[in-house]
Amino acid sequence: AQSVTQPDIHITVSEGASLELRCNYSYGATPYLFWYVQSPGQGLQLLLKYFSGDTLVQGIKGFEAEFKRSQSSFNLRKPSVHWSDAAEYFCAVSNTGGFKTIFGAGTRLFVKA
Amino acid sequence: NAGVTQTPKFQVLKTGQSMTLQCAQDMNHEYMSWYRQDPGMGLRLIHYSVGAGITDQGEVPNGYNVSRSTTEDFPLRLLSAAPSQTSVYFCASSYSGTGNFYGYTFGSGTRLTVV
Repeated sequence: AQSVTQPDIHITVSEGASLELRCNYSYGATPYLFWYVQSPGQGLQLLLKYFSGDTLVQGIKGFEAEFKRSQSSFNLRKPSVHWSDAAEYFCAVSNTGGFKTIFGAGTRLFVKA
Repeated sequence: NAGVTQTPKFQVLKTGQSMTLQCAQDMNHEYMSWYRQDPGMGLRLIHYSVGAGITDQGEVPNGYNVSRSTTEDFPLRLLSAAPSQTSVYFCASSYSGTGNFYGYTFGSGTRLTVV
């Protein structure tokens, strides 16, 4: 069965510092991988996705993620965090059809001035 | 272009009552899903649909029914509300072009409290 683990419940970074959010997945075949962001009281917004090909994918808002098959990981990165990035971030994995997308428990990002 | 619209935004039910959470999308997406979000548990899939007339169960389907009579609408029915169904419910839709799944567009959620 597919599963997603986000080891960090919350992370605090200083504004302007770099960010890496961890995501590990379990899936029997080549997965479809996603990162979503949720601001308080809002729905989720898609940041980026990986299907195949180049293992480093670029997303919106300056985020990128790298797929590492050998480590079953899909970590999200940003070189310089802005206060507006404070939110909850969810990693997700789906089957080829996409209709059974499974989400991790989320990592809440706090940004300090 | 409204995207995914969920109504109501807030609802309080008494144990045993039934209700329907509405979800509509205007993007002609064939895939639609319902998730519930609980603290520390991420989002859990309740039911999903891959097209009009086709639905299936997700991870936590008990106590919920769905139907998909049109491409646009995917209502979620709570048959007999229980306090364990207190949660935030999200509807999401997507398309699958050229065999790839491009990720979901989410509604803004319905916060349900069962007392």
